[in-house]
Amino acid sequence: TQLLEQSPQFLSIQEGENLTVYCNSSSVFSSLQWYRQEPGEGPVLLVTVVTGGEVKKLKRLTFQFGDARKDSSLHITAAQPGDTGLYLCAGGNYGQNFVFGPGTRLSVLP
Amino acid sequence: ETGVTQTPRHLVMGMTNKKSLKCEQHLGHNAMYWYKQSAKKPLELMFVYSLEERVENNSVPSRFSPECPNSSHLFLHLHTLQPEDSALYLCASSLGQTSGNTIYFGEGSWLTVV
Repeated sequence: TQLLEQSPQFLSIQEGENLTVYCNSSSVFSSLQWYRQEPGEGPVLLVTVVTGGEVKKLKRLTFQFGDARKDSSLHITAAQPGDTGLYLCAGGNYGQNFVFGPGTRLSVLP
Repeated sequence: ETGVTQTPRHLVMGMTNKKSLKCEQHLGHNAMYWYKQSAKKPLELMFVYSLEERVENNSVPSRFSPECPNSSHLFLHLHTLQPEDSALYLCASSLGQTSGNTIYFGEGSWLTVV
């Protein structure tokens, strides 16, 4: 069974701070997706990474896929209250359904 | 608005009730999913339908019964649930069933079993 771990589980920071959250597995994935889920809503896709070592940027968010395609990180620069939510990573392999991690719950205080 | 609509958004039901959750996708996708999200566990895949045919059932208790009458609609029929079934139930869809496709989630149906 493929499992994904995410750390930290909870993170509370002040507006303007930088942060990094992690997604780790002992398994190799052909692709990895990051979602953000705001309170009372369903998860919304932020990015998909498919190549080992790949870095993608989405405004203040930087996503990196590990060289071995077993881990990923999400870095947020100058966090804002609107970044508050549950960040989920999901790993996939061809012909299989995605496996989701437990998430990191981020709270950005004004 | 992700193109996946779920109703009702909130549902409170007794353990002897029968109710249904409804999902509709407007994206022309061929695969639809039911996930369960509770406070203490990661997202759990419950059912997968591809082209209206159930392709996966992850050992879900029979008190949950899915129905996919066409590629745009998915139901989850609920009967004799337990309090531990209280959770957020998320419907999702994707162009195809495998992980090469992006999954689009609905806003979820909050279920409370009393």
